[in-house]
Amino acid sequence: GAVVSQHPSRVICKSGTSVKIECRSLDFQATTMFWYRQFPKQSLMLMATSNEGSKATYEQGVEKDKFLINHASLTLSTLTVTSAHPEDSSFYICSARPGGESNEKLFFGSGTQLSVL
Amino acid sequence: AQSVTQPDIHITVSEGASLELRCNYSYGATPYLFWYVQSPGQGLQLLLKYFSGDTLVQGIKGFEAEFKRSQSSFNLRKPSVHWSDAAEYFCAVGTGGGNKLTFGTGTQLKVEL
Repeated sequence: GAVVSQHPSRVICKSGTSVKIECRSLDFQATTMFWYRQFPKQSLMLMATSNEGSKATYEQGVEKDKFLINHASLTLSTLTVTSAHPEDSSFYICSARPGGESNEKLFFGSGTQLSVL
Repeated sequence: AQSVTQPDIHITVSEGASLELRCNYSYGATPYLFWYVQSPGQGLQLLLKYFSGDTLVQGIKGFEAEFKRSQSSFNLRKPSVHWSDAAEYFCAVGTGGGNKLTFGTGTQLKVEL
């Protein structure tokens, strides 16, 4: 089956630094990728929709200047948490959809646990 | 706006017992409904989905779910639980042609041997 690789799986950083998370579709081209955030014991919340070659679409309440998304190729999207603070500590998950497919063909990465000290 | 409620945060069942995980949704139109499973440190895996047609859908690993429009529910069931089913289960509703998923808060399933 299709595989989405997310890296790193865990990262610890100091407050004020930036962290980049990568999401790669390994065996298909993903025109659309999604970034979610999951707080402990809470649901996944959609942060933004990333479209290859265009600007990401952010959900209401998500700071686009803080969570920079780049989808420069059909197999890679990155999420950069800029000037991270402890409240940004969370589990971030990406998902990718092969071009032209509906969400029944949505594949998830294994997530990144971000801890900001 | 759409929403998903999973009223049970934790459920514990004995291996071999039957299982039902509840999911209620709120959405103004015909929803696309999904159940996902998440094992520790893993991404989400799709168990099954409902888009239209037969309201009883079969999924992987022996799971099934029934869409009941009158009750706005999409409960997940399994007749006999295996220890390997211990995980967190998320119900989700897709809108915009299924393009955006709204997830419930999840149900943590523990299986006692």
